[in-house]
Amino acid sequence: QQQVKQSPQSLIVQKGGISIINCAYENTAFDYFPWYQQFPGKGPALLIAIRPDVSEKKEGRFTISFNKSAKQFSLHIMDSQPGDSATYFCAASMSKTSYDKVIFGPGTSLSVIP
Amino acid sequence: GAVVSQHPSRVICKSGTSVKIECRSLDFQATTMFWYRQFPKQSLMLMATSNEGSKATYEQGVEKDKFLINHASLTLSTLTVTSAHPEDSSFYICSAGGLNSYEQYFGPGTRLTVT
Repeated sequence: QQQVKQSPQSLIVQKGGISIINCAYENTAFDYFPWYQQFPGKGPALLIAIRPDVSEKKEGRFTISFNKSAKQFSLHIMDSQPGDSATYFCAASMSKTSYDKVIFGPGTSLSVIP
Repeated sequence: GAVVSQHPSRVICKSGTSVKIECRSLDFQATTMFWYRQFPKQSLMLMATSNEGSKATYEQGVEKDKFLINHASLTLSTLTVTSAHPEDSSFYICSAGGLNSYEQYFGPGTRLTVT
């Protein structure tokens, strides 16, 4: 119930291409879905987040698509750049405040090759 | 804004000793702080949730007597790894939640190596 699934485990994309990472959850009580980007040896940084009352959110080259009925959401990185190479984690939490814990997916290692 | 710091960034200690890691919210007050552990090429695993002025809530399987957490103020939480062993070597990350936000802000992490 608490698990967040994520695929693929690793992804190699050519520069300029589209990177797509998919996530799924079971618990319908989740109401906040952030994506985090993590570089080696660093803490995760919030990239973009969405709530289930919207189906899509775009910030620059990053877009989250959300399918509430399927309990799935995905991250699209347009015009992928070598600097985007990092590990990406989708996540979910159950509260409208920061008091509740964030459940992380297993992560996707993205490599963008020139 | 919303900066969280951790100190130290790296620490090496001998087996059997204790190590304290600090997590500070620099520009906001954090009612709740979270401590995670991350092994190489793995996801973040929540260890415990700490609320200012009260006892921490530990996740199942995390030894509360080994990982002591103190959240004495709205800007500081500490994690003490007691009687450290080589298997405690890991990347420890804290996060903090603001008073008026559902966002969590993560620290840069602390690399602990126990020899």
